[in-house]
Amino acid sequence: DAKTTQPPSMDCAEGRAANLPCNHSTISGNEYVYWYRQIHSQGPQYIIHGLKNNETNEMASLIITEDRKSSTLILPHATLRDTAVYYCIVRMLWDGQNFVFGPGTRLSVLP
Amino acid sequence: GAGVSQSPSNKVTEKGKDVELRCDPISGHTALYWYRQSLGQGLEFLIYFQGNSAPDKSGLPSDRFSAERTGGSVSTLTIQRTQQEDSAVYLCASSLGIRETQYFGPGTRLLVL
Repeated sequence: DAKTTQPPSMDCAEGRAANLPCNHSTISGNEYVYWYRQIHSQGPQYIIHGLKNNETNEMASLIITEDRKSSTLILPHATLRDTAVYYCIVRMLWDGQNFVFGPGTRLSVLP
Repeated sequence: GAGVSQSPSNKVTEKGKDVELRCDPISGHTALYWYRQSLGQGLEFLIYFQGNSAPDKSGLPSDRFSAERTGGSVSTLTIQRTQQEDSAVYLCASSLGIRETQYFGPGTRLLVL
């Protein structure tokens, strides 16, 4: 069973920030929060991950609440190519087989 | 640099036939994983290889499924006597090590008629 809860779908206007929430209230102290996305007919694409501090890379920012029970993925300037299903996953670094993808959030970036 | 590649991208086969799916991981990545994704579903772990250690086969659904990794690089997933329920997208991922981020290939779409 997935350990995360995400809204099934979201819309975002092109050029605006997309904020995708994720609840992971049962996360344990040594579990990381990972975000992947899957564009139709392609393999999952790694976006970002973090433990407790906020993280930023060239693709996105990850904001994790202080109690680590929820997080938000931020795409600062969404483009049409960002339309995809976004998956929030919690896992321990060494737990390769525990890559449980839930239904994710289907983000539609609208022109 | 080059990402994870998989071949073929699509495979249609008849029930009862054997199929081989290939994965070329990112150069230098010691860990390699196979997953299966059915339509609209999440990922199902199948097997992973880490360096020269014995592979973790705990996710293989039946003894019709097997995988090998030659020379610590390329991996082949073999499905014998395919069944219609084997139809899915088979995804390969690799990482620098077991603790590192996994990067996925584009997948092989298998359809068993």
